[in-house]
Amino acid sequence: QKEVEQDPGPLSVPEGAIVSLNCTYSNSAFQYFMWYRQYSRKGPELLMYTYSSGNKEDGRFTAQVDKSSKYISLFIRDSQPSDSATYLCAMTRISNSGYALNFGKGTSLLVTP
Amino acid sequence: ETGVTQTPRHLVMGMTNKKSLKCEQHLGHNAMYWYKQSAKKPLELMFVYSLEERVENNSVPSRFSPECPNSSHLFLHLHTLQPEDSALYLCASSQSFKGTGNTIYFGEGSWLTVV
Repeated sequence: QKEVEQDPGPLSVPEGAIVSLNCTYSNSAFQYFMWYRQYSRKGPELLMYTYSSGNKEDGRFTAQVDKSSKYISLFIRDSQPSDSATYLCAMTRISNSGYALNFGKGTSLLVTP
Repeated sequence: ETGVTQTPRHLVMGMTNKKSLKCEQHLGHNAMYWYKQSAKKPLELMFVYSLEERVENNSVPSRFSPECPNSSHLFLHLHTLQPEDSALYLCASSQSFKGTGNTIYFGEGSWLTVV
């Protein structure tokens, strides 16, 4: 079983829709969760990060973590065509030994006008 | 100017060539990374340097050779690559590789095509 599972999509929604992007994971030691956005032919850009279960909001974006279910989500409200990109989830343990991030494959999102 | 800059952005090389990818970070970070991104696959971590010391090498073939002369610069030397090595190579940096400092920031990537 892969440590991080993410549906690659593509996901197509009309402008203004609420988008829900999800990842599941198998390692209960993961404590630190991130979402990256990657436009075509560009490097990934950090959107949000969170350490704890629950919700974290930033503008139109909400990151949700449910550690009991090993499930994280990114919600995008009032989606715009400029949100069309691939969204990558990433997670890791927090340790003084040092651990690299584990990434999902990314979900391709298309927001149509 | 972005925090992590990579050159060249595009590279086409033959299988017998030797070339290098360059990365520079302007964020004052202590850890730097090379990732490989291929279609339909998750990002693959290749190398990690923390305070200029290599701390992770994920079974990467020896035709890829990293170099970290200081905490701001990272190179990936390429030699006798194969067509399956064609991919986007991403450099990244983080404040540290340990504790809560390992949120990484990526460069724009170098698109490599091996012919």
